[in-house]
Amino acid sequence: QQQVKQSPQSLIVQKGGISIINCAYENTAFDYFPWYQQFPGKGPALLIAIRPDVSEKKEGRFTISFNKSAKQFSLHIMDSQPGDSATYFCAANKGYSTLTFGKGTMLLVSP
Amino acid sequence: DAGITQSPRYKITETGRQVTLMCHQTWSHSYMFWYRQDLGHGLRLIYYSAAADITDKGEVPDGYVVSRSKTENFPLTLESATRSQTSVYFCASTNSGNTIYFGEGSWLTVV
Repeated sequence: QQQVKQSPQSLIVQKGGISIINCAYENTAFDYFPWYQQFPGKGPALLIAIRPDVSEKKEGRFTISFNKSAKQFSLHIMDSQPGDSATYFCAANKGYSTLTFGKGTMLLVSP
Repeated sequence: DAGITQSPRYKITETGRQVTLMCHQTWSHSYMFWYRQDLGHGLRLIYYSAAADITDKGEVPDGYVVSRSKTENFPLTLESATRSQTSVYFCASTNSGNTIYFGEGSWLTVV
């Protein structure tokens, strides 16, 4: 049973456009929702994270939107750039439990 | 600042052979993890360790063995490699249970 469902699997966005990746979770006990970014040949790295006491968190061009009632959270990349081309993973956990990852979204930003 | 290092980075082995992937971290993080990454499956947890001499199974532990005699090392052994274990393996560590720091990966091919 997959506890974090991520969509789409892949995404192509034009340079300057908005990239949106969505995740849905089932466990209402989750209290930490990070996004990881992975470039080809590298390990994933934390990009941005949110806790359920806020509905939105913004860091530069990256924003997490969180909807607790719908059990969904999404990553928005504004003014997408070719350098943003990577695989993005959402994840969730509670306290010190291990992170449960989504299956990933391959983003390609075309020049 | 070495952080977390994995070796070997690339390995080709034959079916039935024993293979050990090494992981070393310089942060003295309590928690260490082994994930495998496969297309369509995302990141799946194999084993994790909360401290030296404490290990626990993740989502896909079958066919793998781990040990943690020292805080900084967390080797992963495939006792008898199978083709289905062809994958990219990531070691990771954390102190907080939230931000996880990944190594750069070990590409393993079993022929």
